[in-house]
Amino acid sequence: AQKITQTQPGMFVQEKEAVTLDCTYDTSDPSYGLFWYKQPSSGEMIFLIYQGSYDQQNATEGRYSLNFQKARKSANLVISASQLGDSAMYFCAMREDTGRRALTFGSGTRLQVQP
Amino acid sequence: EPEVTQTPSHQVTQMGQEVILRCVPISNHLYFYWYRQILGQKVEFLVSFYNNEISEKSEIFDDQFSVERPDGSNFTLKIRSTKLEDSAMYFCASSESVFRASNQPQHFGDGTRLSIL
Repeated sequence: AQKITQTQPGMFVQEKEAVTLDCTYDTSDPSYGLFWYKQPSSGEMIFLIYQGSYDQQNATEGRYSLNFQKARKSANLVISASQLGDSAMYFCAMREDTGRRALTFGSGTRLQVQP
Repeated sequence: EPEVTQTPSHQVTQMGQEVILRCVPISNHLYFYWYRQILGQKVEFLVSFYNNEISEKSEIFDDQFSVERPDGSNFTLKIRSTKLEDSAMYFCASSESVFRASNQPQHFGDGTRLSIL
């Protein structure tokens, strides 16, 4: 079974608008972390934002925020005021505190910001 | 800001040859990882390394692969007798601590693109 599911292979957004990238996850571990990474066309992986399973508030980092709904097992990334430089692949990943501690990645969403 | 550095950025190798990919993790980090990403596919975990030994590995990390920390700064991935299907982007990552593992972001290098001919 997929541990991380990203159902949107591609998304378009107009510059300056907000966009939500979906991520659902599956784990039986009560303690885990959820991460979002950005991969521009140049290939590097850039850490964006983290949400812990016990965190009471949704994480925010600048224009990035994480809409964490624990009961639904979803951790959607919201990018506000999109910029052309936001065009990239976005990966959701999870790390569990027991079992494998490495990141498990979703298949990614390609975001294209249009002027 | 400190970063993970990987060399080379691109490696082209004949099938059957050995290749060594190099990484310098962030200096105060204790956990090191290798991941790979076949073109157009998701990022896959290969191996993690802590305290000078492998702490976990995936089913991809077979006897063809090995990792080493030859000195205090470098962390290497060796692929013996490369195959065509080893062509991928290989990412090194590091994280700060073992404890409360889930809240430690892994910081990635820019990757090495390995092309097997």
